[in-house]
Amino acid sequence: DGGITQSPKYLFRKEGQNVTLSCEQNLNHDAMYWYRQDPGQGLRLIYYSQIVNDFQKGDIAEGYSVSREKKESFPLTVTSAQKNPTAFYLCASGQYLSYEQYFGPGTRLTVT
Amino acid sequence: DQQVKQNSPSLSVQEGRISILNCDYTNSMFDYFLWYKKYPAEGPTFLISISSIKDKNEDGRFTVFLNKSAKHLSLHIVPSQPGDSAVYFCAASGDSGAGSYQLTFGKGTKLSVIP
Repeated sequence: DGGITQSPKYLFRKEGQNVTLSCEQNLNHDAMYWYRQDPGQGLRLIYYSQIVNDFQKGDIAEGYSVSREKKESFPLTVTSAQKNPTAFYLCASGQYLSYEQYFGPGTRLTVT
Repeated sequence: DQQVKQNSPSLSVQEGRISILNCDYTNSMFDYFLWYKKYPAEGPTFLISISSIKDKNEDGRFTVFLNKSAKHLSLHIVPSQPGDSAVYFCAASGDSGAGSYQLTFGKGTKLSVIP
C-alpha cells in the first residue's frame, strides 16, 4: 500500500533535548513538507523540500532542522532552541507541479 | 496576517440537512483552493479542490463554490452524515516559484452532524 508513515505516534522528551521525527513515503513524490498544528490553529509550514539534497524554510523554521538525503525520507529535528516544541507534527508529500498534498498520520510531541 | 480565514470555529447540523462551510482569502495570487477533512489525532485527508478558472466543482455529496470577486469559497455537504463530523480546513495555493506550490491553511471549522 502506498502512503506516508510517521513514527512514533506519540513522543515524549525532556526540555533541552533534541528529538527527530521520522517521515517516510512510498508514493514516489518529489516534494515533502513538515507542518505543525497547535490547538485551535491551522497548519503552519515548517520546512519543505522539492528535491533530494535541497530544502527551504517555511513560515516557522526557527528551532527546527531537516535533511533530505533520500527521496523517500524527510526527517525533522526539533532542537532545544525551539521555544514551544509541544505540538502535533504532520508530514506531507506531493508530486512536482501539483497542488494536492497528502498527509501522514502525525506525531504528537510532548516536551516537559 | 491571516491570508486564509475560516470565521466559524464550529458548526452543528442535523443529519440529512446541508452543511455549508465558509472560507475567505485575501491574497489575489491564490489560484487553487482545497478542502481537507481531519479527525482528531490523524492527518488531514484531501476532500475536494477547485481551480480559480472555475466557480464550482462537485464530487458526490461535496460541492465547492468559488466567488473570486468576493475572495470567498464555500464547501457544501448534502446530505450531511454523522461520519462527516470532523474539522474541515480550507487551504489556498499559488505558484511561489520554482514549481513549489505551498499551501496556506485556515484555522479550521469543526463540523458536528447530529443524528
